[in-house]
Amino acid sequence: ETGVTQTPRHLVMGMTNKKSLKCEQHLGHNAMYWYKQSAKKPLELMFVYSLEERVENNSVPSRFSPECPNSSHLFLHLHTLQPEDSALYLCASSQGRRTGGFAEQYFGPGTRLTVT
Amino acid sequence: RKEVEQDPGPFNVPEGATVAFNCTYSNSASQSFFWYRQDCRKEPKLLMSVYSSGNEDGRFTAQLNRASQYISLLIRDSKLSDSATYLCVVSGDKIIFGKGTRLHILP
Repeated sequence: ETGVTQTPRHLVMGMTNKKSLKCEQHLGHNAMYWYKQSAKKPLELMFVYSLEERVENNSVPSRFSPECPNSSHLFLHLHTLQPEDSALYLCASSQGRRTGGFAEQYFGPGTRLTVT
Repeated sequence: RKEVEQDPGPFNVPEGATVAFNCTYSNSASQSFFWYRQDCRKEPKLLMSVYSSGNEDGRFTAQLNRASQYISLLIRDSKLSDSATYLCVVSGDKIIFGKGTRLHILP
């Protein structure tokens, strides 16, 4: 399936590196999301963009910086990460938001990040 | 009380059996409810939305009980391919994922 793609699929980086994760959706959706999934923890919503405007930021540390240049592309810029940031980073998209809640989301395959 | 709570399992169920999961939520203002499945080392995939009237998709039935604040998922005639982790998702002004329930279908 190629509805939502993410690159790279695996990334190992040192704490002083700067890297970026990329997400692209081919579903014609107008909202995109970044999630973090750590072992034995539920998915944590990091950022939401709707119509290219950030509408939610769940108190994520500033070492994570999102960018949404258009409705099909989403980036997560990483710098000076910590080992505890090692996790699976998932991108998702949806067709906007429903009244009173979020619409069905479709996920990319994720980027497995290891910070050494 | 946790915002979204699921029995982590694992549920070990013989092929062909019926299995049911519940998921409780704490925010009575929640509006949208979903079930996702996640295979090992894969992304979550939408299984079904949960509507107030309940909904069915083949062997899968989802129900919402607003009074008791829980949603349920029933899988009939389980298949080996149903083995996965099932995630409950509740949203209102926030979207909250449960930790998931692991299901193993035994041959």
